[in-house]
Amino acid sequence: DAGVTQSPTHLIKTRGQQVTLRCSPKSGHDTVSWYQQALGQGPQFIFQYYEEEERQRGNFPDRFSGHQFPNYSSELNVNALLLGDSALYLCASSLLGQGNYEQYFGPGTRLTVT
Amino acid sequence: AQSVTQPDIHITVSEGASLELRCNYSYGATPYLFWYVQSPGQGLQLLLKYFSGDTLVQGIKGFEAEFKRSQSSFNLRKPSVHWSDAAEYFCAVGTTDSWGKLQFGAGTQVVVTP
Repeated sequence: DAGVTQSPTHLIKTRGQQVTLRCSPKSGHDTVSWYQQALGQGPQFIFQYYEEEERQRGNFPDRFSGHQFPNYSSELNVNALLLGDSALYLCASSLLGQGNYEQYFGPGTRLTVT
Repeated sequence: AQSVTQPDIHITVSEGASLELRCNYSYGATPYLFWYVQSPGQGLQLLLKYFSGDTLVQGIKGFEAEFKRSQSSFNLRKPSVHWSDAAEYFCAVGTTDSWGKLQFGAGTQVVVTP
């Protein structure tokens, strides 16, 4: 049973560029959440997707956007990258039928903005 | 304001000794609580969770946690630490009205000495 997978593993971008990160949820899961983890900090909630719609959003600017596909996989897009966007981006999946209370995390994508 | 506090940034413990990590939360709604562990460069692994019922919960790798509503705490314990327990530990809190949005503490780094 495949767990949550994310791609790419590492990414280096230049300030002002745009980036797309990808996530495939755990088999059987239908909900994907994205978190940003800056160095030395706990993860911060970005947003959550269910039924291809953004259902909840954390305190992040509109430069952060996402998408969920019919197969439940998801993308996180960040426009106009800032140096402060450098972080580990974590995807978590869950099953709405279980009330979203248990989230399984992927290994993350390490984004470096130079 | 809702908050999750892990008072100890860093803990050093000898192998074989007991470990206790503290977590305090401030939430208006009934919380559900998690402890996650993160090894260097890795994603988050769920150690245990509390939704309701018995306030002492058992998790993987020999960890347990106790929910104390009166103290707004959910402390993690392990009777005898192994070198492989060296990692960063995060407490996370969600509520039934936040639809799966988890708020994380800043983490506690655990170092295990021989």
